[in-house]
Amino acid sequence: NAGVTQTPKFQVLKTGQSMTLQCAQDMNHNSMYWYRQDPGMGLRLIYYSASEGTTDKGEVPNGYNVSRLNKREFSLRLESAAPSQTSVYFCASLKGGTGNTIYFGEGSWLTVV
Amino acid sequence: QKEVEQNSGPLSVPEGAIASLNCTYSDRGSQSFFWYRQYSGKSPELIMSIYSNGDKEDGRFTAQLNKASQYVSLLIRDSQPSDSATYLCAVGGNAGNMLTFGGGTRLMVKP
Repeated sequence: NAGVTQTPKFQVLKTGQSMTLQCAQDMNHNSMYWYRQDPGMGLRLIYYSASEGTTDKGEVPNGYNVSRLNKREFSLRLESAAPSQTSVYFCASLKGGTGNTIYFGEGSWLTVV
Repeated sequence: QKEVEQNSGPLSVPEGAIASLNCTYSDRGSQSFFWYRQYSGKSPELIMSIYSNGDKEDGRFTAQLNKASQYVSLLIRDSQPSDSATYLCAVGGNAGNMLTFGGGTRLMVKP
C-alpha cells in the first residue's frame, strides 16, 4: 500500500525554469493538497482540490498552478521558478468528512538557484 | 483568518519525564484536532486525534481538548530520546476537508 506518492524527491532548478511536481494517492481519497514547509513557517497550504474536477487557492498560491488530473493525481506546477520557492513540498490526501485526517507524501525538496 | 498557535520551542525534557505540548486555536467552530510528529527530513505522521472535550489516551500519549478555552495539548509520558521531533498541531473545521496547522513545537528528550 503506497499511500501518497510524490515525485521527484529532490530537484534543483535555475531561476525562470519550470517544473511539475507529481502526486498520486491510492487510498480513493476525495481531497488532495499541496503544502510547502519552510523553516520557522510551519506547513502552508498552496492549493487544494476538494474533489475531482475542482481546485482552490490556499494561503500561498502565487507562482503556482495545479491540475487535478483524476481522482488519484494532483500535480503542482511552477511556471517560472524563483529562489523564494526553494522549499520542501508535501502532497497530502484526505477522504473527507468530519474526523478524517490528512496523510502526507514523503516530500519533495526543491532548490531554486 | 483561522490561526493555530504553538510555542516553537525547543522544549527540552530529560528521558523518562513527561513532555507537555500545547496548542491554541482561534476558530470556535473547529470540530477535529490532531497531533502530528515530524522527524527532521521526514513528512508529518499522525499520532493522535481528538474530537470531544476531555482526555484521550493511546499508549504513552494523551491528548487533551478544552473547546471552551480553545486549547488542545499533548502529553508524552516516559519520554524517550526517540520522541525527539517536531510536533505539529492541526485543527479541522466543519467541512472536514481542511486542516490548519500550527508552526510546530520542537521537542528534545535528553538521555
